[in-house]
Amino acid sequence: QLQLQESGPGLLKPSETLSLTCTVSGGSISSSTYFWGWIRQPPGKGLEWIGSLHFSGITQYNSSLKSRVTISVDTSKNQFSLNLSSVTAADTAVYYCARIWPRDWFDPWGQGTLVTVSS
Amino acid sequence: QSALTQPASVSGSPGQSITISCTGTSSDIGSHNLVSWYQQNPGKAPKVIIYENSKRPSGVSARFSGSKSGNTASLTISGVQAEDEADYYCSSYAGSSTYVFGTGTKVTVL
Repeated sequence: QLQLQESGPGLLKPSETLSLTCTVSGGSISSSTYFWGWIRQPPGKGLEWIGSLHFSGITQYNSSLKSRVTISVDTSKNQFSLNLSSVTAADTAVYYCARIWPRDWFDPWGQGTLVTVSS
Repeated sequence: QSALTQPASVSGSPGQSITISCTGTSSDIGSHNLVSWYQQNPGKAPKVIIYENSKRPSGVSARFSGSKSGNTASLTISGVQAEDEADYYCSSYAGSSTYVFGTGTKVTVL
């Protein structure tokens, strides 16, 4: 059964770079069938798609974050990563990674990791 | 990409049917039959309950059904039960490998 697990620092200062990793177990990130994505949820608010990646290196980002976001893959470690630069308090959220099926639905999801931006 | 519009809250008594709407535009919901729905319990990750507008993953209760008409998708819970109390989000493919989520709906079972 495929599982995803987010990891990374939980507390950042404004202007720092958020770096998270999603480790995939029970399956290969190198499957040509799937894309892999990052989604975030500010406390008490809704879900926001951040971006997606295919193991071949194809990426797509939310236009509202595109200037600050980079998603990359490390197939040797079966991981993909999220970098978000110049963070502010508005980037405080639970960050989820998920597999994206060919017909564009997200399953499964990682358990999520809370990242707080505060001085 | 603006968020899809959902009602903030919907409620119903046990056994009643409730429907959650999800309104988008001709660029997302209206152009693609690729709406999915997610159930999120407090402190938990979202879980898919409907994909491709109306398909149910294995293991999801048949009480959940989805539909789409024009720029609006709908999720119906037939015979709502206490265990269905949660937040629900719609999502749609928005073209060029991008996605948009709904604003979310809190379902309360009275």
